Amino acid sequence: EPEVTQTPSHQVTQMGQEVILRCVPISNHLYFYWYRQILGQKVEFLVSFYNNEISEKSEIFDDQFSVERPDGSNFTLKIRSTKLEDSAMYFCASRNRDPSEKLFFGSGTQLSVL
Amino acid sequence: LAKTTQPISMDSYEGQEVNITCSHNNIATNDYITWYQQFPSQGPRFIIQGYKTKVTNEVASLFIPADRKSSTLSLPRVSLSDTAVYYCLVGSNTNAGKSTFGDGTTLTVKP
Repeated sequence: EPEVTQTPSHQVTQMGQEVILRCVPISNHLYFYWYRQILGQKVEFLVSFYNNEISEKSEIFDDQFSVERPDGSNFTLKIRSTKLEDSAMYFCASRNRDPSEKLFFGSGTQLSVL
Repeated sequence: LAKTTQPISMDSYEGQEVNITCSHNNIATNDYITWYQQFPSQGPRFIIQGYKTKVTNEVASLFIPADRKSSTLSLPRVSLSDTAVYYCLVGSNTNAGKSTFGDGTTLTVKP
């Protein structure tokens, strides 16, 4: 089965630093997503991306966050100035055109902000 | 987006059939019902999806009554490796993927 790939698997950073989390969605998929999951809590929607622009974002996705699809394969999440509360597992997901298509999730990046 | 309600946790034993029910009273006409499984420190994984009646695949069955206000995920003959959190999501083409997962049901399978 095709996979969504995320790198790195773990990222440790100092508060106030910028981090970039990287994702390679499945090659023929058109819709891309970022979610986060704080330890022991729900999987929270952050942002969806289609046709090279954000289609929807949650209230969590403030000005400190940005997403980009710099080339035909990568999809990145940037946190400009990390806070302690940004520590979480971040999941990338993608799906194809059909809205009933299932989401494929990556294995996540564990971000720890010290 | 339709709110979903599931039991917080369930216990079962190896070899038993497990049924997890999800309530979604405000489901809209265009909404699909999708179930995901999540193991610790991994991303959610698609299990099954349906719109109405019954859907079956190689790992599970999904039962949806005529009013679609609930759905039941059925896992036949569970094993220890089925211990995970199971999420029920409801969404349509306008909001597919754009929702926070609910609390999910933590299934613990015992030997």
